[in-house]
Formats: sequence, C-alpha cells, structure tokens
Amino acid sequence: KAGVTQTPRYLIKTRGQQVTLSCSPISGHRSVSWYQQTPGQGLQFLFEYFSETQRNKGNFPGRFSGRQFSNSRSEMNVSTLELGDSALYLCASSWGQGRIEGYTFGSGTRLTVV
Amino acid sequence: GQQLNQSPQSMFIQEGEDVSMNCTSSSIFNTWLWYKQDPGEGPVLLIALYKAGELTSNGRLTAQFGITRKDSFLNISASIPSDVGIYFCAGRTSSTSGTYKYIFGTGTRLKVLA
Repeated sequence: KAGVTQTPRYLIKTRGQQVTLSCSPISGHRSVSWYQQTPGQGLQFLFEYFSETQRNKGNFPGRFSGRQFSNSRSEMNVSTLELGDSALYLCASSWGQGRIEGYTFGSGTRLTVV
Repeated sequence: GQQLNQSPQSMFIQEGEDVSMNCTSSSIFNTWLWYKQDPGEGPVLLIALYKAGELTSNGRLTAQFGITRKDSFLNISASIPSDVGIYFCAGRTSSTSGTYKYIFGTGTRLKVLA
C-alpha cells in the first residue's frame, strides 16, 4: 500500500521567489493537511483540505496558500519567499472525519531559502 | 501558534532503561496522540488516546490520557537503540462545525546509548 508521497524531497530557492510543493495522499484518503516544521517552532498547522475545500487554517500569512484537486492530491504554494520560510513541510492524509489511525504523514519536503 | 508543552526537551539514556515523557496544555483536548519521527522522515503514529483516564499500550510503549484532558504521558520500557528519534505529542480538538485541528508538542529528542 503506497504511503503519502511528497515531492520534491529537497528544494533550494532564493528570497522573493515562489515555490509549489506537492502531496499525493494514500489512495482513498480525502483529507490532506499541511504542516511547517522548524527546530524552534516544532510542527505548526498550515491548513487542511477535504474534497477540494479548505476546512481549517492555521495562523500563517496569506503568502501561504494551498489547493486540492479532484483526485485528492494537494499542492501548497508559498509566494515571496523569506529566509524564515526555510523548514521541513509535511503533509498528512486521512479519510477525513474518521479514526486517528488513518492520519499518515509523508516524508516531507525540505525547503531552504537563501 | 498554539503549542503543547512537552518535557523533557531531550534525554540521553542507557539501553535497557525505561523512559518517561509528558505533555501538558492549558486547553482541553478530546484526543491525545503520540508520534515518533526518525531523521529525514515524517512522524509516525504510535498511540492514540480517546477517553480521559485511558491507558493504552503498544508493545513496550504505554501512554495515558490525563483525567483533566489537559495532559498525557508516554512511557517506553526497556529502551533499545532503535528508539532514538523525536517523540511528539499532539492534541486534537473538534469544533461545532465538525472539523478537527491538531496541535503538536515541541518534541522530546531521545538518544539511547548502547
């Protein structure tokens, strides 16, 4: 059974650029959540999508946005990158409102902004 | 953003020793979760707790959901080298609209000395 797939695994961008990260959930999972992980702040919730609709949103600026496609794949976009955006970005997929055991993380995309 | 207070931040232990870590919050959670993250990977769910006072085991791991619903602990018995990693607690809250939000702790970095 394929897990949650995030691409790319590593990314280096320059300040001011924009970046798009991709997350393919486990087959059958309809909910995708995104997190930012940094050494100082830990795991911070960005947003959650279910059936192509954003259901929850964390406390991040509008430069962070996302979307979900009809096949449940999700993308996250960060515009006008800042040095502080350097982090490991994780996505997690689940069936939606079901049991916790379905909440599975991908390996993440490590973004470095220089 | 909102975070759970997790302690200790890091610990070095000898192989075979028992480990204990805990998580506290000023907010009430309906569900507590414990995850382990290996280097370069996303967090993996270890134990999920659904009721106040619940005590659940998963092999050498034991976790409890505090009676006040504001805390949880995780114990690892007879530690082995592969227990090394970062352990995260997470609380899940639900809203009247039926959506959920996960709040993660700051993590406990465990190192096991053979």
